[in-house]
Amino acid sequence: NAGVTQTPKFQVLKTGQSMTLQCAQDMNHNSMYWYRQDPGMGLRLIYYSASEGTTDKGEVPNGYNVSRLNKREFSLRLESAAPSQTSVYFCASRSQGRFSNQPQHFGDGTRLSIL
Amino acid sequence: KQEVTQIPAALSVPEGENLVLNCSFTDSAIYNLQWFRQDPGKGLTSLLLIQSSQREQTSGRLNASLDKSSGRSTLYIAASQPGDSATYLCAVFTGNQFYFGTGTSLTVIP
Repeated sequence: NAGVTQTPKFQVLKTGQSMTLQCAQDMNHNSMYWYRQDPGMGLRLIYYSASEGTTDKGEVPNGYNVSRLNKREFSLRLESAAPSQTSVYFCASRSQGRFSNQPQHFGDGTRLSIL
Repeated sequence: KQEVTQIPAALSVPEGENLVLNCSFTDSAIYNLQWFRQDPGKGLTSLLLIQSSQREQTSGRLNASLDKSSGRSTLYIAASQPGDSATYLCAVFTGNQFYFGTGTSLTVIP
């Protein structure tokens, strides 16, 4: 089982460049999430999509946009990359169970450096 | 805003020792709490999920407890092994979002 797949795994950008991080899940999950992980800060939620066709801001949405392309895919876009966006980005998905007690499943992350 | 704290930030124990990792959260209005393991350079692997109505959950050598009213959870690891070395994170689910602690880095010395 592939689970949650993120591409690319590594990327180096120059300040001002744009790029899109891709995430796909094959578990038929309704909800998908984008996090960033920085040293000493833990994981912080950027955006999430509770179901296909909806997206909502998380804790740190500034400088990012998302698209829930279909039930499988949830992309994260940096329109004009800044050094402060250097981080490890994780995508996660979750089946929205009846009592909302379903675990999250994570991809392996995208390591992004912005010079 | 929900805040999640994990103490200690790092822990080093000899192989075979039983150990407890701690997680505390400020708002008791949670649906569930999830414990994860993260190996260096890797994603998060789910270990245990405790529903808000449960007191504990067990999987193999792992036992997680939840005291929602006091805002605390513990992860108990029995008979630790070098392969348990990793960072352990807890996360609480508030209905829409998950809030994560910063993790405890565990080293088990052979």
